[in-house]
Amino acid sequence: DQQVKQNSPSLSVQEGRISILNCDYTNSMFDYFLWYKKYPAEGPTFLISISSIKDKNEDGRFTVFLNKSAKHLSLHIVPSQPGDSAVYFCAASEGPAGYNQGGKLIFGQGTELSVKP
Amino acid sequence: DAGVTQSPTHLIKTRGQQVTLRCSPKSGHDTVSWYQQALGQGPQFIFQYYEEEERQRGNFPDRFSGHQFPNYSSELNVNALLLGDSALYLCASSLEHTYNSPLHFGNGTRLTVT
Repeated sequence: DQQVKQNSPSLSVQEGRISILNCDYTNSMFDYFLWYKKYPAEGPTFLISISSIKDKNEDGRFTVFLNKSAKHLSLHIVPSQPGDSAVYFCAASEGPAGYNQGGKLIFGQGTELSVKP
Repeated sequence: DAGVTQSPTHLIKTRGQQVTLRCSPKSGHDTVSWYQQALGQGPQFIFQYYEEEERQRGNFPDRFSGHQFPNYSSELNVNALLLGDSALYLCASSLEHTYNSPLHFGNGTRLTVT
């Protein structure tokens, strides 16, 4: 039972354009969502998060959108840079990070982003 | 500021053997979680330790056990290794009672079971 799904295994965009990575979830108890980036031979690195009380959170070039009714979230990267090339994981939990349930993240399968110069 | 460190980086074991993986959390963090990442998949939650006790557990058999020490470091033990246990094992740390303290991950231990 895949509670968090990233249906696109890969995405290729041109440098300077927008990258949009998508994620769907099925568990209505999820109320905290995160995006992680992973380079080969490194652990995942936290990018940005959003709680279910918001529908948008922005941090520099990265914006996460949450559509609770559709159980869908997306990560927008504008403008995309070659250094953004990595695997991006969407993750969800039943509580915010730093609290009891926050350590149990449910991850999607990842989307490999390639940004071409 | 030391991040999450894991040892060893790579390990090869034979089916049926036992293995211990180690993790030191990011400086100042007190909670450690372990994840298993199979090839081509996202990380899967194994368990979480806080105040030297297992607080949450994912869908993993009892062959997977752990420990947290008073200095917050942690070990993951896997007994009776199976070929299917071959994966990247990730340790993550966080700070309890701190809103929006996301997990910080180490670079992982690559376990190969032959």
